[in-house]
Amino acid sequence: AQSVAQPEDQVNVAEGNPLTVKCTYSVSGNPYLFWYVQYPNRGLQFLLKYITGDNLVKGSYGFEAEFNKSQTSFHLKKPSALVSDSALYFCAVRDMYSGGGADGLTFGKGTHLIIQP
Amino acid sequence: EAQVTQNPRYLITVTGKKLTVTCSQNMNHEYMSWYRQDPGLGLRQIYYSMNVEVTDKGDVPEGYKVSRKEKRNFPLILESPSPNQTSLYFCASSLRGVAGNTIYFGEGSWLTVV
Repeated sequence: AQSVAQPEDQVNVAEGNPLTVKCTYSVSGNPYLFWYVQYPNRGLQFLLKYITGDNLVKGSYGFEAEFNKSQTSFHLKKPSALVSDSALYFCAVRDMYSGGGADGLTFGKGTHLIIQP
Repeated sequence: EAQVTQNPRYLITVTGKKLTVTCSQNMNHEYMSWYRQDPGLGLRQIYYSMNVEVTDKGDVPEGYKVSRKEKRNFPLILESPSPNQTSLYFCASSLRGVAGNTIYFGEGSWLTVV
């Protein structure tokens, strides 16, 4: 069975400081990893994904994430936080051998990111 | 514009009154799915569909039905809603065949059952 852990319910960062939202995963095979963001009263928006290749993945809105296989982690990062980055962030994982090729996406419980002016 | 559209966005209903949440996507995706989001639990999959006339249960299917008569539509049916189905619901779609395909989500439907 696959699982995702987001150990922090909430992360508080001052505007302009770097931010990190943590995610660790567990899968039996090779992982496909995703980050989604949910702004208030909005749906989930895709930020970035790791499939293969370079461990540092760049995504939308200046976010990036680093895949670390030995630590089974996929932390989301941004060099300089904006107040508008305040939202709920979800990490998700899918085993590359998930049935049907497009199923079996497991989400973490989400992390509230609060950027203080 | 590529999108997944859900309706209604907000609904308050009474226990036992059948309701349907519609979902439509314009990306010609084979795969569609419904999730519910609850505080502290993240997103949990209710049902999914690999293609027309092919549906299967997700992690929390009890109390829900779905149908996939057309490729673009995947309605979620609550035959007899109960208060424990009060939640935020998301429809999603993607291409199938490759596990790395991105899943695209609708804006969400807030459902309250009283």
